[in-house]
Amino acid sequence: DAGVIQSPRHEVTEMGQEVTLRCKPISGHNSLFWYRQTMMRGLELLIYFNNNVPIDDSGMPEDRFSAKMPNASFSTLKIQPSEPRDSAVYFCASSGGTANTEAFFGQGTRLTVV
Amino acid sequence: QKEVEQDPGPLSVPEGAIVSLNCTYSNSAFQYFMWYRQYSRKGPELLMYTYSSGNKEDGRFTAQVDKSSKYISLFIRDSQPSDSATYLCAMSSFNTNAGKSTFGDGTTLTVKP
Repeated sequence: DAGVIQSPRHEVTEMGQEVTLRCKPISGHNSLFWYRQTMMRGLELLIYFNNNVPIDDSGMPEDRFSAKMPNASFSTLKIQPSEPRDSAVYFCASSGGTANTEAFFGQGTRLTVV
Repeated sequence: QKEVEQDPGPLSVPEGAIVSLNCTYSNSAFQYFMWYRQYSRKGPELLMYTYSSGNKEDGRFTAQVDKSSKYISLFIRDSQPSDSATYLCAMSSFNTNAGKSTFGDGTTLTVKP
């Protein structure tokens, strides 16, 4: 298995533009997570899906952020409009969903908003 | 105050040194304790996983949990330059999906040849 696949790896965009980050979880995993990592705040959970349904989006910082999981093999995280303070590394992770199994992380998308 | 506090580092040691990485926590419900390793520009990878109190050893790595003190440690023996990475502790309560674990902020370790 190729693991969790994220695209793009790097994204540079201008303030106010829409940004879409993409994730393909590991086949067979039924839980998917979006995280944001910054030096100041560490690794923060933004939203969590189970069986394609959003379970907990309490970490989504603002209405500018939205996430979808239209099927078991694809998820998107969208920021509209983007702001410089959104600059961070965004990780997608998936897990088998049973209690306390390992979470597998993708390589991340490094987002820079200028 | 954060639920999980991790020694901030950075930590720089010579090759062959014993390294101790530590986290404290405040949530008594945490039962599962994990250490993830994150190389530069990569995602975190699970390194060690322990349940409740006690020690667990895997090669040069030992994870230690003291629930009475709400303190966990990761020891690395005979450290190697390839161990240079950021180490994140993570914790979760019973029946919590691993991806919903609470993470520490990470300690960056550099092992110098």
